[in-house]
Amino acid sequence: EVQLLESGGGLVQPGGSLRLSCAASGFTFSSYAMTWVRQAPGKGLEWVSAISGSGGSTYYADSVKGRFTISRDNSKNTLFLQMNSLRAEDTAVYYCAKDAGWWSYYMDVWGKGTTVTVFS
Amino acid sequence: EIVLTQSPGTLSLSPGERATLSCRASQSVSSSYLAWYQQKPGQAPRLLIYGASSRATGIPDRFSGSGSGTDFTLTISRLEPEDFAVYYCQQYGSSLWTFGQGTQVEIK
Repeated sequence: EVQLLESGGGLVQPGGSLRLSCAASGFTFSSYAMTWVRQAPGKGLEWVSAISGSGGSTYYADSVKGRFTISRDNSKNTLFLQMNSLRAEDTAVYYCAKDAGWWSYYMDVWGKGTTVTVFS
Repeated sequence: EIVLTQSPGTLSLSPGERATLSCRASQSVSSSYLAWYQQKPGQAPRLLIYGASSRATGIPDRFSGSGSGTDFTLTISRLEPEDFAVYYCQQYGSSLWTFGQGTQVEIK
């Protein structure tokens, strides 16, 4: 069974940092692009970042560019999101999602999410 | 950046009725890169439709997608109690992914 399990969320002050992880299982991790999507409380979905299967290509939403870094460790089947210079508007549930292919540009499997709260 | 606008914001219908959800793009979108998701309270989104009209694995055939260019539609032919949820369209273009703001389908 394909599974994604996020971890690393928590409470952090503005300007602080967090590193999210997403442990993948049930598929050949290195063959699929991966994505982070977030959802602020009571709001819609917002794409955050994506990475190719090899890790050689990365993409970011303008709202996080220069502050967040996506990466992956294919030997450990794990996706990461390093979040620096956090702001109140980064408060959200962060979902890890698997692309349907090397680059299909839609997400066919989602994790349950991890909550990030930025507060002062 | 391509902006997706979904309408209506809320759709109030009864079980058994037909639901028609719209997703309009600010620029032309390749049909290959248009998807629809369903999200229920407290749950992660679930892929329904990809490539504008292809149903994802395990999705009932009462769900169908159509459209091209800037206008796309998700249709639920006969609403079942489990279909009341929020629906999002999503597109990819120019190295950016964007979502619509969502349509809530609620029980009338």
